[in-house]
Amino acid sequence: AQRVTQPEKLLSVFKGAPVELKCNYSYSGSPELFWYVQYSRQRLQLLLRHISRESIKGFTADLNKGETSFHLKKPFAQEEDSAMYYCALSPFGNAGNMLTFGGGTRLMVKP
Amino acid sequence: EAGVVQSPRYKIIEKKQPVAFWCNPISGHNTLYWYLQNLGQGPELLIRYENEEAVDDSQLPKDRFSAERLKGVDSTLKIQPAELGDSAVYLCASSSRTGSTGELFFGEGSRLTVL
Repeated sequence: AQRVTQPEKLLSVFKGAPVELKCNYSYSGSPELFWYVQYSRQRLQLLLRHISRESIKGFTADLNKGETSFHLKKPFAQEEDSAMYYCALSPFGNAGNMLTFGGGTRLMVKP
Repeated sequence: EAGVVQSPRYKIIEKKQPVAFWCNPISGHNTLYWYLQNLGQGPELLIRYENEEAVDDSQLPKDRFSAERLKGVDSTLKIQPAELGDSAVYLCASSSRTGSTGELFFGEGSRLTVL
């Protein structure tokens, strides 16, 4: 069974400060990891996936298989980054859309 | 594109009453998911459909929950009878086999309050 843990329920930073939202996972196989985001009054949507090695809205995330982590980082937070962030895991391969979500972290960026 | 459409957005019922939620996925998406989201928690999968076939319903409490996806398009999730602990947001999502792995498109959710 897979499990995703986001240890922080709330993360509050000032505008311009660096941000790191933590995500740890447990899975016996080779996982694919994702970050989903939900802005106020909007739907849950995909932010980025580890396999793409992309930077979206200034956010990056590196999969660390040794530490079983997939932390989301941004060097300079903006007020519009305030949202709920969910880390998600899927088994690699054909079941690539079988997502298990973490409990979520609320990011608040203060002016 | 309207995206995934869910109704009703909000529903308040008394315990032991039945309730049904409806979902219309994005056109052409063959996979449909129902997720449960309790307050302060992440979404948890209830059931997944590939076209009209339920391929993963291991987390669906079958004593009171049922779902169907007739003709492989729209889907309905039913609870009968509802219990106080069923108060939550019920999310529907869809994805395409030809789309990017891990990209689910979510609806706005149906918020259920059981009194």
